[in-house]
Amino acid sequence: QVQLQESGPGLVKPSETLSLTCAVSGYSISSNYYWGWIRQPPGKGLEWIGSIYYSGSTFYNASLKSRVTISLDTSKNQFSLNLSSVTAADTAVYFCARHSIITWWYWGQGSLVTVSS
Amino acid sequence: QSALTQPPSASGSPGQSVTISCTGTSSDVGGYNYVSWYQQHPGKAPKLMIYEVSKRPSGVPDRFSGSKSGNTASLTVSGLQAEDEADYYCSSYAGSNDHVFGTGTKVTVL
Repeated sequence: QVQLQESGPGLVKPSETLSLTCAVSGYSISSNYYWGWIRQPPGKGLEWIGSIYYSGSTFYNASLKSRVTISLDTSKNQFSLNLSSVTAADTAVYFCARHSIITWWYWGQGSLVTVSS
Repeated sequence: QSALTQPPSASGSPGQSVTISCTGTSSDVGGYNYVSWYQQHPGKAPKLMIYEVSKRPSGVPDRFSGSKSGNTASLTVSGLQAEDEADYYCSSYAGSNDHVFGTGTKVTVL
């Protein structure tokens, strides 16, 4: 069974970089599929942030592209999200997930990140 | 890429049916048979309920069904049960490895 688990700081200061890691078990991230990040501000809907293909190709939401970097660490079977120059608007629950090109199949439980000084 | 439009809320009594719409454009919902639906209970991760417009993953009850006409997709929950009370989100492929989600619908079981 594929399982994903997000980890990282729960509090980030404005203008700094938000960094999260998604540890994957039950499947090798270097074998296939896309590995992505989605966020959900408190009380609001889902927003796709970006994804990385198992080969290393990356795809980002145009509205966030200038601030987002997603990378793979195949030695640890995990992938990471960096979001720079954060503001209060970036406060959200961040989910990592495995997806095909069109369907989000497996999700992590989510990690709340608050942007505040 | 703009969010897909869903009604904010929908409701029904136990045993009844409820249908949720998801309206996009010819660049997303109308352009591909790649609409999926997710159920999210409070404080939980979304769960895949329908993929590729009308297919159910293993373990999802056949009370859940999906369809599409033009730029609008729909999710129908038949025989409503208390555990169906949740938020539901649609999602569509939008080409060029772009993904868009719906605004979300809160389903209440009366």
